[in-house]
Formats: sequence, C-alpha cells, structure tokens
Amino acid sequence: AQSVTQLGSHVSVSEGALVLLRCNYSSSVPPYLFWYVQYPNQGLQLLLKYTTGATLVKGINGFEAEFKKSETSFHLTKPSAHMSDAAEYFCAVSDLPEGAAGNKLTFGGGTRVLVKP
Amino acid sequence: NAGVTQTPKFRVLKTGQSMTLLCAQDMNHEYMYWYRQDPGMGLRLIHYSVGEGTTAKGEVPDGYNVSRLKKQNFLLGLESAAPSQTSVYFCASSYLMGDLTFGAGSRLTVL
Repeated sequence: AQSVTQLGSHVSVSEGALVLLRCNYSSSVPPYLFWYVQYPNQGLQLLLKYTTGATLVKGINGFEAEFKKSETSFHLTKPSAHMSDAAEYFCAVSDLPEGAAGNKLTFGGGTRVLVKP
Repeated sequence: NAGVTQTPKFRVLKTGQSMTLLCAQDMNHEYMYWYRQDPGMGLRLIHYSVGEGTTAKGEVPDGYNVSRLKKQNFLLGLESAAPSQTSVYFCASSYLMGDLTFGAGSRLTVL
C-alpha cells in the first residue's frame, strides 16, 4: 500500500525567505507524485506533478519539486516566499499509470504555511 | 466555466438523519471522486467512479453510498448520519487519472 508523510504540520517563513516543505512517500512501484495547494475555504489546486522523465519539476507560482528515488522524497521549494503563498499544501502519490482503472491518490496530512511580513 | 460544483456548501444534521451531497462537473470527465478532509489527516477517498453507472469503494466507504446515474453527476449519500461524519467533503473529477479538479467543498456538521 502506498503512503505519504509530510514532515511538519505547520511551517512559518518570513516574506522573501526560502519555502521548503518535506514529503516522503512509500510505494511498491514507481510512483506518480503531486503537490496540491488549498487556499482558505477553497478546494485543492494542482501545483505540480511528477510522472516520468526529468526529476526536477516546475509548477505554478514559482514552486518546484525534486523527485529523489533513493530518498523516497518529493520536497517542494520556492526560493522567495510571498504573502500570497499562505495556504495549506498537500503531497499525494499514486502508484498506477495514468489511465489505469481504479487509480487513486493517497494524500499526506498537509502542511499549513504561514508567511510573516 | 463552472468546473466542479458541490451543493450544498454547508449543512447541519442531527444524528440519524439522512442527506445527499451533489457533485456536478461540466468538463466531460470520466472519473469522479468523493474525499473527506479532517484536520491532520489530509484527504481520504470515500468512493469513486470510473464512468457513468460505475462506483467503487475507496479508503473509508463505511456509512456512505454513492451513485453515478449521469456522467456529469456524482451523488454522495449518508443514510444515517453520525457525529464521526462531521467533516469537509470534496468532490473531484479527472480526465487523466491523478490530475484532479476539485470542487470548493461541502462542510457537514452532525450533532
């Protein structure tokens, strides 16, 4: 069974500082990995995803994540935090190829980011 | 450009009451999902559907039923609500597996 662990349920960063959100996964097959963002009182939006190919993935709003198979990690970073980055971030994993019937995402517990001025 | 629409947005129930949450998508997506979100637990899959007329159980299906009579709609039912079902419920749909589009959520409180 697949699983996702996000280290730190809350992260506080200063505006302009590096944002680093940690995600480790467990999967019996090569995983597909995702980061979603949830702004207050809204649904989740896809930030970026890794399927195959380049291990450094760039997403929206200046975020990127690197897939490290040896470390079973998919950490999310942004060089310079902005006030608008305050939200909750979820890492997710799926272990079946796109299009396979029954494929489902398993989510981590989420990390809430607070940005201080 | 509605995307995924959930109704109602808020509901308060008494223990034992029943209700249905409606999810509608206008993107012609094959796959639809119901998740519940609880603090510190992320999102957990309740039921999902891979096409009109099909449904399947997810990680936490007990106490819920679903139906997908039309491709664009996915209904989540609670036959006898319990306080443990107090949660925020999210519907999502996708064309390609894993690239989910989420609704804004439905907050349910069971007293």
